[in-house]
Amino acid sequence: NAGVTQTPKFQVLKTGQSMTLQCAQDMNHNSMYWYRQDPGMGLRLIYYSASEGTTDKGEVPNGYNVSRLNKREFSLRLESAAPSQTSVYFCASNRPRPTPRYTFGSGTRLTVV
Amino acid sequence: QKEVEQDPGPLSVPEGAIVSLNCTYSNSAFQYFMWYRQYSRKGPELLMYTYSSGNKEDGRFTAQVDKSSKYISLFIRDSQPSDSATYLCAMSSEDGNQFYFGTGTSLTVIP
Repeated sequence: NAGVTQTPKFQVLKTGQSMTLQCAQDMNHNSMYWYRQDPGMGLRLIYYSASEGTTDKGEVPNGYNVSRLNKREFSLRLESAAPSQTSVYFCASNRPRPTPRYTFGSGTRLTVV
Repeated sequence: QKEVEQDPGPLSVPEGAIVSLNCTYSNSAFQYFMWYRQYSRKGPELLMYTYSSGNKEDGRFTAQVDKSSKYISLFIRDSQPSDSATYLCAMSSEDGNQFYFGTGTSLTVIP
């Protein structure tokens, strides 16, 4: 099925460990995004990529890095995980034209202990 | 002040009730207005979108946009237990490159 695929679905990390969250889309969208969702905070943008080869910071970029590997793939890396990064992470892709439409992945539940 | 404000609820209604969900916003450049539905432990899914002002109906769902008041609404008629979810409003300017989300309203429809 066409859409956005995120891996892994669940992960537990110890403080200081690193990991990479993977995201791939097969809809030929140019724009891709990483959000975190916390209770009472809604979706907060971490980083986005308007096109292959470009990335920009969002609202909460500290502690994260991203790589737009190609048009399909956009990865999020935590270099040294902290308990404050415990969250649900969503990747999304967007088709700005003719009408904008975000398609989300199913999410990665990350716990940092 | 956040760009998009949404009452988080929670909202609990009996089956068959009419539900009204609302968001306000501050950026007059917003032109696209969307509602996403998010079931527990799932990603948000697009439910409806509206361009500029006006109403849009899709089955039991009606989306309204009042740009003069910077206020959008989603109405659910004859609510069903399967409508129990979190509803997020989202908005974008004309370029459509970045969405701004409300925090979401949690809805429970009681059988």
